Amino acid sequence: AQSVTQLDSQVPVFEEAPVELRCNYSSSVSVYLFWYVQYPNQGLQLLLKYLSGSTLVKGINGFEAEFNKSQTSFHLRKPSVHISDTAEYFCAVTPFFGNEKLTFGTGTRLTIIP
Amino acid sequence: EAQVTQNPRYLITVTGKKLTVTCSQNMNHEYMSWYRQDPGLGLRQIYYSMNVEVTDKGDVPEGYKVSRKEKRNFPLILESPSPNQTSLYFCASSSPRGSPLHFGNGTRLTVT
Repeated sequence: AQSVTQLDSQVPVFEEAPVELRCNYSSSVSVYLFWYVQYPNQGLQLLLKYLSGSTLVKGINGFEAEFNKSQTSFHLRKPSVHISDTAEYFCAVTPFFGNEKLTFGTGTRLTIIP
Repeated sequence: EAQVTQNPRYLITVTGKKLTVTCSQNMNHEYMSWYRQDPGLGLRQIYYSMNVEVTDKGDVPEGYKVSRKEKRNFPLILESPSPNQTSLYFCASSSPRGSPLHFGNGTRLTVT
């Protein structure tokens, strides 16, 4: 079984400032890692994913995340945020083998302050 | 356009009245899943399906049923809805392991 922890339920950030949204996971097996974004009144869409290879992955809208196996973390970063980044962000994991269950964190609401 | 279509978008019903939320995908995906989203709890999986006629329980299956008679459709059935099933529901699909999920736009269900 796996679990995902997003410690920050809400993160307010000034426009053009950098942001980091934290994600830690727990799993007894190797996992694939994802970040999804949910804009108001919409479904979730993929921001980026880590399957293998380089631990720094780049996604859409200028976001990137770094996989740290020793710390079991997959934190999301953006060097300069915009008003349009206001949304809820979900970290998720699924195991390499076995069932394909995708486990989500509880989400982090990012609010951009003008 | 590749998409996952859920209907209805909004549904208000009364306790005990059976309802079905439909989900259809046009991407020929084997894997489909239902989630519910509640404030502070994130998304929790209700049921999932690895392929036609293959379904399994997720984390919160009580009070729900699903069926997968065709590859493209994966309806969610609430035989006797209760107020604690008031939630935002999402259907999703994906292809090979490690592929990202494609989500529908959600169904907001209110049970009074």
